[in-house]
Amino acid sequence: GNSVTQMEGPVTLSEEAFLTINCTYTATGYPSLFWYVQYPGEGLQLLLKATKADDKGSNKGFEATYRKETTSFHLEKGSVQVSDSAVYFCALRGGAGSYQLTFGKGTKLSVIP
Amino acid sequence: DTAVSQTPKYLVTQMGNDKSIKCEQNLGHDTMYWYKQDSKKFLKIMFSYNNKELIINETVPNRFSPKSPDKAHLNLHINSLELGDSAVYFCASSQVEGLNTEAFFGQGTRLTVV
Repeated sequence: GNSVTQMEGPVTLSEEAFLTINCTYTATGYPSLFWYVQYPGEGLQLLLKATKADDKGSNKGFEATYRKETTSFHLEKGSVQVSDSAVYFCALRGGAGSYQLTFGKGTKLSVIP
Repeated sequence: DTAVSQTPKYLVTQMGNDKSIKCEQNLGHDTMYWYKQDSKKFLKIMFSYNNKELIINETVPNRFSPKSPDKAHLNLHINSLELGDSAVYFCASSQVEGLNTEAFFGQGTRLTVV
């Protein structure tokens, strides 16, 4: 079945630092890949997505590239802000016979001034 | 307009009680889901309904029973609540056709069983 592995947190960074959150996946076929963000006390919001190999998703300064050869979808941001503090989830959908979202375990990011 | 709304947002109840959480989506999606998020933030799918029919039923105690009166609503009823049921429950919806479309989530229902 499908699975998503993302780096364990928590991650603590100073404002303006560079962020990478690693995500790798296992799936048959050609899944779509997503990053969701959950701010404290809120539901999940889509941050960005990529639907085929070599696609780059981007939003709010965050980027992730769909790498089929390494089955990865790492999240990056060049300069984090305090307001980026949240839990980030990597997810996939699709592949052979699977349309539900499968999530990684989430990575909590704390950005300090 | 809220796309996926669930009520209540908070629910505190005693062990052994029966409770329901309601979910509605106004996106015209054909599939709705219930996810459970534990204290470590891990998200696990519980149920999925496509056009009012159950299509995923993960290993969930049969005290949990989803009900979909129409494709815009998916309610979750829980019987004989236990301490371990305490969690945040998220409703979501998506369109099955076109697997590159994302799922939209409600704000969550924080259930506390005392």
